[in-house]
Amino acid sequence: RKEVEQDPGPFNVPEGATVAFNCTYSNSASQSFFWYRQDCRKEPKLLMSVYSSGNEDGRFTAQLNRASQYISLLIRDSKLSDSATYLCVVNPPGGGYNKLIFGAGTRLAVHP
Amino acid sequence: DVKVTQSSRYLVKRTGEKVFLECVQDMDHENMFWYRQDPGLGLRLIYFSYDVKMKEKGDIPEGYSVSREKKERFSLILESASTNQTSMYLCASSFLAGATNEKLFFGSGTQLSVL
Repeated sequence: RKEVEQDPGPFNVPEGATVAFNCTYSNSASQSFFWYRQDCRKEPKLLMSVYSSGNEDGRFTAQLNRASQYISLLIRDSKLSDSATYLCVVNPPGGGYNKLIFGAGTRLAVHP
Repeated sequence: DVKVTQSSRYLVKRTGEKVFLECVQDMDHENMFWYRQDPGLGLRLIYFSYDVKMKEKGDIPEGYSVSREKKERFSLILESASTNQTSMYLCASSFLAGATNEKLFFGSGTQLSVL
């Protein structure tokens, strides 16, 4: 089993739709969690950190479910500009940047 | 805004060549990283450095070496390029040494093809 698993997609949704991605992680003692966004042929950029209590940033909501070992990203009112690959990143026990584990990404395509 | 600059966007090299990938950041970050990104595998850490002349192996260091002579510059070296090193190489930097919630800033990547 991969340490961090994501559905590769693509998720094809119309503008205005709500879409959600999940990401599962294998190490139950993982410390911190992030979502990065990567546009086609561009570098990844931090979208948001994921806190235990869940967090929201505009149309984006991230949640952590420790019992089931997954994090989720919900995008409301999808825009064409949301089309990208969303990378799940997990920091397992021990911490430190050398430990960050990246998922392979979920591709989102928003169409008119 | 932080800028991480990688010297080449595309590189084509022959098997056995020595390859240098250069990365420069302009925000005085302590940490610098080299990842490779392959389809279906996600980013994998090759090497990282938390200070000048300091380096540590990541998950896949075999066939690579690094150099950090100045704080702003982190070089990745392929001693003898092989076809299985064809990949997208991404450099990243971050500010606080040892912190886990600091943001990673990535360069735009170098797509290396080894023929």
